[in-house]
Amino acid sequence: DQQVKQNSPSLSVQEGRISILNCDYTNSMFDYFLWYKKYPAEGPTFLISISSIKDKNEDGRFTVFLNKSAKHLSLHIVPSQPGDSAVYFCAASKGGGADGLTFGKGTHLIIQP
Amino acid sequence: GAGVSQSPSNKVTEKGKDVELRCDPISGHTALYWYRQSLGQGLEFLIYFQGNSAPDKSGLPSDRFSAERTGGSVSTLTIQRTQQEDSAVYLCASSRSGRTRVTQYFGPGTRLLVL
Repeated sequence: DQQVKQNSPSLSVQEGRISILNCDYTNSMFDYFLWYKKYPAEGPTFLISISSIKDKNEDGRFTVFLNKSAKHLSLHIVPSQPGDSAVYFCAASKGGGADGLTFGKGTHLIIQP
Repeated sequence: GAGVSQSPSNKVTEKGKDVELRCDPISGHTALYWYRQSLGQGLEFLIYFQGNSAPDKSGLPSDRFSAERTGGSVSTLTIQRTQQEDSAVYLCASSRSGRTRVTQYFGPGTRLLVL
């Protein structure tokens, strides 16, 4: 049973526009959520995180929103840049990030010029 | 500073053989994690070491998989009697401590192909 779901395998966005990547989870014990970015042949790179006590966290062009009642989070990238083209993984933790993370299958974001 | 390193970067083996995958965490990181990513899937947690505590092995898929961490630093993931379904990218991550709100930093992975 998949506890973290990313229902869009791919997303195409024009350069300069907003990219919105979505993630749903089923386990109400998750208390910490993270987004990782992955380029081909490289390991995932941490992007941004949010604790379950917050509903928004912003870092530069990246903002993560958490809706606990809907068990949904989203990553907004504004404005989108060509270097943002990568696979984005949503991950969740029951131990504030200190335990093994549960990952979604990823969304391949393609930024078109 | 140096990031997480893994070796080998690629490994091709025959079904039934044993393989060992190595991970060097970031210096000073006390927590170490192993994950694997099968084709078209997300990352799957395998095992977690925190300092000298007993590892969390809850993600290991079978008793053919084992891991050890020597001296609180380098870790080796061993897969015995490999099967074709073990083909995947095996990723190692480390973090500064086992406290909350930590960030796990990943290595580049070892691509394992079992023929």
